[in-house]
Amino acid sequence: DTAVSQTPKYLVTQMGNDKSIKCEQNLGHDTMYWYKQDSKKFLKIMFSYNNKELIINETVPNRFSPKSPDKAHLNLHINSLELGDSAVYFCASSRSGGSFKNEQFFGPGTRLTVL
Amino acid sequence: AQSVTQPDIHITVSEGASLELRCNYSYGATPYLFWYVQSPGQGLQLLLKYFSGDTLVQGIKGFEAEFKRSQSSFNLRKPSVHWSDAAEYFCAVGAKGGSYIPTFGRGTSLIVHP
Repeated sequence: DTAVSQTPKYLVTQMGNDKSIKCEQNLGHDTMYWYKQDSKKFLKIMFSYNNKELIINETVPNRFSPKSPDKAHLNLHINSLELGDSAVYFCASSRSGGSFKNEQFFGPGTRLTVL
Repeated sequence: AQSVTQPDIHITVSEGASLELRCNYSYGATPYLFWYVQSPGQGLQLLLKYFSGDTLVQGIKGFEAEFKRSQSSFNLRKPSVHWSDAAEYFCAVGAKGGSYIPTFGRGTSLIVHP
């Protein structure tokens, strides 16, 4: 059984388009995260949700909007895509509190390419 | 602000040889420290973590890491590398207490020769 799943795995789109990436976890966790990994492999947290509430919102353009319909899902919507948005986006989840002390379980990633 | 340095971008070892991946951190107090592994096309998997206590930490897949406060280091080791260990390895640091932002190193790519 997949613990943290993301769809799609690959996403190729044109500049200016709007796209969404979906994430689901079946681990019963109540904290979920979005990370961005750039072409140089740097991994940086973007958002964190705990019990459907936003608790971490790093310096991310407001074109990026996370949405958590329930504790098991955290979707990422991106408006007006730019070339610099090309990256691999990872979803992760952990047990409560939003504390990094709890092990994070990562999804397989979504490779976004903006042309 | 906390930071993590992984000085080696690539490491090449022969199968069966020992391995040490370096990680140095910068933080004002004792941090939480982690090593993650990322296999090609996969997400990150936690290998081991250090919070307090014994400075030598055992992890999964035969890995261990040692926290050295005097050197601000948390190096990852394995006595005998297997071909399946070829992957990207990330060191990460988190601050104790409160809500904080985890910081990852840039990663070290491990290449294993037969």
